[in-house]
Amino acid sequence: AQSVTQPDIHITVSEGASLELRCNYSYGATPYLFWYVQSPGQGLQLLLKYFSGDTLVQGIKGFEAEFKRSQSSFNLRKPSVHWSDAAEYFCAVGLGGGGADGLTFGKGTHLIIQP
Amino acid sequence: DVKVTQSSRYLVKRTGEKVFLECVQDMDHENMFWYRQDPGLGLRLIYFSYDVKMKEKGDIPEGYSVSREKKERFSLILESASTNQTSMYLCASRAQGGNTEAFFGQGTRLTVV
Repeated sequence: AQSVTQPDIHITVSEGASLELRCNYSYGATPYLFWYVQSPGQGLQLLLKYFSGDTLVQGIKGFEAEFKRSQSSFNLRKPSVHWSDAAEYFCAVGLGGGGADGLTFGKGTHLIIQP
Repeated sequence: DVKVTQSSRYLVKRTGEKVFLECVQDMDHENMFWYRQDPGLGLRLIYFSYDVKMKEKGDIPEGYSVSREKKERFSLILESASTNQTSMYLCASRAQGGNTEAFFGQGTRLTVV
């Protein structure tokens, strides 16, 4: 079965500094990969997704992620964080089926922004 | 704007009560899901449905059931609520195709006392 690992439970970053959130997946083939963000008390919002093609994908709010097949990774990056980026971030993997299977999520990384 | 709507943001129920959590999507998606979210455990899939009246167990179905009588509506049922079912519940929908994203509702925070 597929699995997703987010090694960092919490990350603290100063406002204006760069950010990288790690995500590793376990799956036999190339999966469909997603990053979601959850603000406190809210549902999940899609930041970006990777299906095929260019391994560097751009998302909303200035985020990007890079798919590295050799490392089974899909790390999320942002050059300069803002206080409003404080949230919970989830990496997810989907299989290549008809979409009926639910996405498998990592346990999340809680991002704290220091002034 | 696409939307998944959960009927309640907050619910407080007593142990042993039958609880219904409702979810409606307006995107004509075939697939709908119920997840449970707990601190440190991420999102865990309870049940999903790929068509009207069809349902499949997810990773943690015990203590839950679901109903999908109409394409746009997917209900999660706690037959006899227990305190260990206190959690955040998230509904999602997804179109056909593996390369589709899931859209989430705002969540229902359920407290069982």
